[in-house]
Amino acid sequence: AQSVTQPDIHITVSEGASLELRCNYSYGATPYLFWYVQSPGQGLQLLLKYFSGDTLVQGIKGFEAEFKRSQSSFNLRKPSVHWSDAAEYFCAVGAANSGYALNFGKGTSLLVTP
Amino acid sequence: KAGVTQTPRYLIKTRGQQVTLSCSPISGHRSVSWYQQTPGQGLQFLFEYFSETQRNKGNFPGRFSGRQFSNSRSEMNVSTLELGDSALYLCASSLADPGYNEQFFGPGTRLTVL
Repeated sequence: AQSVTQPDIHITVSEGASLELRCNYSYGATPYLFWYVQSPGQGLQLLLKYFSGDTLVQGIKGFEAEFKRSQSSFNLRKPSVHWSDAAEYFCAVGAANSGYALNFGKGTSLLVTP
Repeated sequence: KAGVTQTPRYLIKTRGQQVTLSCSPISGHRSVSWYQQTPGQGLQFLFEYFSETQRNKGNFPGRFSGRQFSNSRSEMNVSTLELGDSALYLCASSLADPGYNEQFFGPGTRLTVL
């Protein structure tokens, strides 16, 4: 069965520290991979996406993600976290054989401490 | 360019009633997708419409239905509301194929069923 797993429900980091949010997927076909961010009371905003090509993808707000096919992972990273990065982060996967409907992970809640 | 708008933003209904939610996509976008977000189940795909046709449907009961108009605006309807239907309902629009084109999310409609 197709699935997306975000192992960490909550993560706390200090402002200025580096961040890595994990995402693992299980898909038969080559998936399209996304990271979204959701602030309280807001909709989802796309941070970055991977379809093909270079496995290191740059996104908005200083985020990047690396696609590792051998590990079925698409982890999100940021070298220095800002207090405004506190939000809920969702990894999502789409595939042609599912009509491109996005399958979301359960999300990781990021808390940034001073 | 205006973003995706959803109306109403908040809604309170009682069990057994029905409800209609509205979504206006970004101008020029022809694909509209609907998602349900709950604390327990996370984000789940409901359905996707393109040029007034439902192209894809998630695993929800028939009480959940939708439609799309010629101007790409979309509505979703939930009949015979249950307590478990309380959720944030998110609408997303994209130019064409939602998997390949970025999906832009609206702020959502918060539905509370009493």
